[in-house]
Amino acid sequence: EDKVVQSPLSLVVHEGDTVTLNCSYEVTNFRSLLWYKQEKKAPTFLFMLTSSGIEKKSGRLSSILDKKELFSILNITATQTGDSAIYLCAVGGNQFYFGTGTSLTVIP
Amino acid sequence: DAGVIQSPRHEVTEMGQEVTLRCKPISGHDYLFWYRQTMMRGLELLIYFNNNVPIDDSGMPEDRFSAKMPNASFSTLKIQPSEPRDSAVYFCASRHGLNTGELFFGEGSRLTVL
Repeated sequence: EDKVVQSPLSLVVHEGDTVTLNCSYEVTNFRSLLWYKQEKKAPTFLFMLTSSGIEKKSGRLSSILDKKELFSILNITATQTGDSAIYLCAVGGNQFYFGTGTSLTVIP
Repeated sequence: DAGVIQSPRHEVTEMGQEVTLRCKPISGHDYLFWYRQTMMRGLELLIYFNNNVPIDDSGMPEDRFSAKMPNASFSTLKIQPSEPRDSAVYFCASRHGLNTGELFFGEGSRLTVL
């Protein structure tokens, strides 16, 4: 059965901290892994990863994929209160299986 | 482009009533997905279409749920009869092509069944 598991389920940090969010998967017909940020509304796209070892970076956020070990990480450095959200990982090809997300709270 | 458009944004109904949720995908997108999000189960795929044809509806909870896509610019998700456990946020998402990856989400329809 295809599945996507994210950890931790929730995380509380202080502004300025660095966090690492994890996503492991077992999905047939893998084509890509996507990261989304959700703040009380629709998920917004962060990254798409298709190849192992190539880091994607956007400002303080970065992500990398390991297709051999079947996982991805999302790093956020120098966290800000605006980073507080649920971070979702989706894996698949024709369709996407979502993990249940990691809820991140950044305290001032 | 206006993005994926869903309606209604909020719906409150009583158990047993019929509920119809609507979605207009981004023009030119050939894949359309319906998801349901709850605190307990996260985002669950209900059904998806390719070129208006349902491809996989294995996520549809039961016969009370049905979805249609009569043309490339419109889809509906219907629940009849509705039950309190159907209360959730229902998202529609669309995508262009098989390998481009990114799903574009609508703002969601929050359904409350009393």
